[in-house]
Amino acid sequence: DGGITQSPKYLFRKEGQNVTLSCEQNLNHDAMYWYRQDPGQGLRLIYYSQIVNDFQKGDIAEGYSVSREKKESFPLTVTSAQKNPTAFYLCATQQGTGANVLTFGAGSRLTVL
Amino acid sequence: AQSVTQPDIHITVSEGASLELRCNYSYGATPYLFWYVQSPGQGLQLLLKYFSGDTLVQGIKGFEAEFKRSQSSFNLRKPSVHWSDAAEYFCAVGAGGGSQGNLIFGKGTKLSVKP
Repeated sequence: DGGITQSPKYLFRKEGQNVTLSCEQNLNHDAMYWYRQDPGQGLRLIYYSQIVNDFQKGDIAEGYSVSREKKESFPLTVTSAQKNPTAFYLCATQQGTGANVLTFGAGSRLTVL
Repeated sequence: AQSVTQPDIHITVSEGASLELRCNYSYGATPYLFWYVQSPGQGLQLLLKYFSGDTLVQGIKGFEAEFKRSQSSFNLRKPSVHWSDAAEYFCAVGAGGGSQGNLIFGKGTKLSVKP
């Protein structure tokens, strides 16, 4: 089945630790996105990539980093510089360029202890 | 700047009753409009989209939405709600025509369904 796989589903982290969330897709979509979701806040864009080896900051990129070495993969690292990292993180893909349907993964919930 | 407003944070309806979820957007050109649904702890699923043409669009699960340019609205409707429709619903707007594909999301409306 074609789709988006996010792992892990649940992750716990101690303050001061970096963690990496995985996002893998086999849809052959060009663009990939990371959103952060907090209760009552909707979805806020962290980073996006429209092509391999290129990515752009979104609205809340501070404290996060990404890479896009392969078309299929777009991992997100939550660094210790992110002051409030506890949230639900959603990866999405999009075919082609320009506004189009986003296809979402099932999400990863990060909790900082 | 683009923005999306969903005025209702939480709506409760009885099973079998009709539903309308409101969405207003701010955008300088013709927008691309979307409705997504999210079950707890899950990703978002596309219900329907509007790019151009007929302003009344049909989606999955019996949902429909109407684009009203004069009111900058894209309200979601369903004639008869089922208990399985309980979820959170997000409206989103994006630019068209080959521009960067980021979508702007509203803050969501949580739907509860009474038996």
